[in-house]
Amino acid sequence: GAVVSQHPSWVICKSGTSVKIECRSLDFQATTMFWYRQFPKQSLMLMATSNEGSKATYEQGVEKDKFLINHASLTLSTLTVTSAHPEDSSFYICSARVGWQGSTLNTEAFFGQGTRLTVV
Amino acid sequence: LAKTTQPISMDSYEGQEVNITCSHNNIATNDYITWYQQFPSQGPRFIIQGYKTKVTNEVASLFIPADRKSSTLSLPRVSLSDTAVYYCLVGELWSSASKIIFGSGTRLSIRP
Repeated sequence: GAVVSQHPSWVICKSGTSVKIECRSLDFQATTMFWYRQFPKQSLMLMATSNEGSKATYEQGVEKDKFLINHASLTLSTLTVTSAHPEDSSFYICSARVGWQGSTLNTEAFFGQGTRLTVV
Repeated sequence: LAKTTQPISMDSYEGQEVNITCSHNNIATNDYITWYQQFPSQGPRFIIQGYKTKVTNEVASLFIPADRKSSTLSLPRVSLSDTAVYYCLVGELWSSASKIIFGSGTRLSIRP
C-alpha cells in the first residue's frame, strides 16, 4: 500500500513554543489530508481536513489560530501547534487520500505513524 | 455521517475466530463500511471495506446483511499480534472531500 510518513515521530517542547509536524505522502499525490489527535485510551478525533492549495476546514471546537495547517503541495501537509501548552500533549496523526485520478476515484485513506507531542 | 456502535472490548484466545459487530442504523445509500486496525502509538491501518453482502481479503472477512444496518468483521484464527483496537467507519466515498470520522472502536485482547 501507499506510504504516509510523519515527522517527527515524537517531540518534547517547552510550554509557549511552537512545534511543526510534517505529513508526507511518499509515493502518491494526496488531494485531501486529515489531521487527528488522540488521547490515551481514546479514539481519533478529527481536527481538520485540508485540500491542496486551499484553506483547511476545521472541526467545531478546534482553534484554527492555534493549530495551523498548511497543505501547500500534493505530497506535504504541516500542522503547527502554536504557543503549545501541556494540555496540547497528545498523539497527532495525519491521513492522506488520493481522491480522483482522472475518471477513477481512489477512496482509500492512508495513515501516518503518528507524532507523540509532549509539552513540558 | 452515520453513527456507529461497537462493543467497547472483546477477549479471545489464539487460534479462535473473532467476530466484531458494528451497528450503523442510519447508514445512507451511498455509504461504504470500512474497518481499520490500530496498534498502540501507531496510525490506523486499513483492513477491509465493503458495501453489501460479503467481502474477503487475505486478513479478514466482512459480512453485511441486506439491510446494511450492521456489519461484522471476522478475523479467522487470531494470534497474539491481532491484539489491537478495531474501528468501524461508515461514510460516503463518492465525494473526495468526505470526512473520515472514527467511532469509539473495539479493544480486542487475544490471550495465549
